[in-house]
Amino acid sequence: QSVLTQPPSASATPGQRVSISCSGGSSNIGTNTVNWYQHLPGTAPKLLVNSHNQRPLGVPARFSGSKSGTSASLTISGLQSEDEADYYCSSWDDILNGPLLGGGTKLTVL
Amino acid sequence: QVRLVQSGAELKKPGASMRISCKSSGYFFTSYYIHWVRHAPGQGLEWMGVLNPSDGATTYAQHFLDRVTMTRDASTSTVYMDLSSLRSDDTAIYYCARDYAIEAFTDAFDIWGQGTVVTVSS
Repeated sequence: QSVLTQPPSASATPGQRVSISCSGGSSNIGTNTVNWYQHLPGTAPKLLVNSHNQRPLGVPARFSGSKSGTSASLTISGLQSEDEADYYCSSWDDILNGPLLGGGTKLTVL
Repeated sequence: QVRLVQSGAELKKPGASMRISCKSSGYFFTSYYIHWVRHAPGQGLEWMGVLNPSDGATTYAQHFLDRVTMTRDASTSTVYMDLSSLRSDDTAIYYCARDYAIEAFTDAFDIWGQGTVVTVSS
């Protein structure tokens, strides 16, 4: 199973800014856009930022996405305790001819 | 309210088959593709495939090509995912998810079902 590469864990204190990286290749992030999801245990994943760097209704502006080359980042500004969750990136893959998802990053709010 | 409601937990023996349902409500069923994604313990999310509710056309991930079948019943706004020849590494939470775009197959999913826990064990 091919996945986009994310660090397994990240941590920060409330109020800080934290970035989560997502690394791919030329067939996915290098040529396509990236989405980000938040997954709280026991709940369904939630779309945070879509391919056009838009946030669905209800997602705070402190969540933002960016991309450079074959890597992407999710940045959370003004970290809050309720942001403690798993975060996943996804991108269209031209070889898979479908969505490719990341391995996930567990964010801990200290 | 837009919702996807999935069927309940499954306990299966290796070699068996399973069917999970995903019932849509609150929107026009045939306008949005439905994807299936699974989350195995200790693993990341894995895309399994997608179905176009308008005509039943499917696209499956290579990894599942010979074992998965996705169908729909437009009269009840329900999508089904069948997985055969189950193995212990199929133990996972299975999600259906609606595509973000109207009448298109993209890589973004805006509405997710609650998940179905599947355990494969002898």
